[in-house]
Amino acid sequence: AQSVAQPEDQVNVAEGNPLTVKCTYSVSGNPYLFWYVQYPNRGLQFLLKYITGDNLVKGSYGFEAEFNKSQTSFHLKKPSALVSDSALYFCAVRAYQAGTALIFGKGTTLSVSS
Amino acid sequence: AAGVIQSPRHLIKEKRETATLKCYPIPRHDTVYWYQQGPGQDPQFLISFYEKMQSDKGSIPDRFSAQQFSDYHSELNMSSLELGDSALYFCASSSDRENTEAFFGQGTRLTVV
Repeated sequence: AQSVAQPEDQVNVAEGNPLTVKCTYSVSGNPYLFWYVQYPNRGLQFLLKYITGDNLVKGSYGFEAEFNKSQTSFHLKKPSALVSDSALYFCAVRAYQAGTALIFGKGTTLSVSS
Repeated sequence: AAGVIQSPRHLIKEKRETATLKCYPIPRHDTVYWYQQGPGQDPQFLISFYEKMQSDKGSIPDRFSAQQFSDYHSELNMSSLELGDSALYFCASSSDRENTEAFFGQGTRLTVV
């Protein structure tokens, strides 16, 4: 069964500084990896995904993530954080078979201070 | 663009009652997921359907059941409700054939009193 670990409950960064939100995964076969963001009392918004191809994927709002197969990681990054990036971030993984569960990590709260 | 529609948005039920949550996926999406999210928690996978057939099952209680209909909409039926069932329930849809991401609805907030 697939699983996701987000080792940090909270990440604090100053505005303008780079940010990293960590994610490691476990899945049989090739992973399909995703990052979502959630604002209070809202649904989950898609940021970016890795299916195949280039290990560095770029997504919405200036976010990017690097797929590292040997370390089974998919860390979310942004070169310069904004206060408006403050939210709850979820990493998710599913196996390549259609219809299989999309499993989420516990989430990481990102707090960007001005 | 069309999004995932969930109804109702809010629902209040008493213990031991039943509830039905509805989900209308994005047109031409082949996969539907249901999730339960408690306060401050991650979304817990309940069940998924691919092309109207149940494709995967997670931590869905036996008191809950779900199905997907011929028009692709899905319903989550919850019986003998308990206080602990109070949560935000999300539906999501994707096109797994085309490897799209899952698009989430705004959720149904269920409160059991």
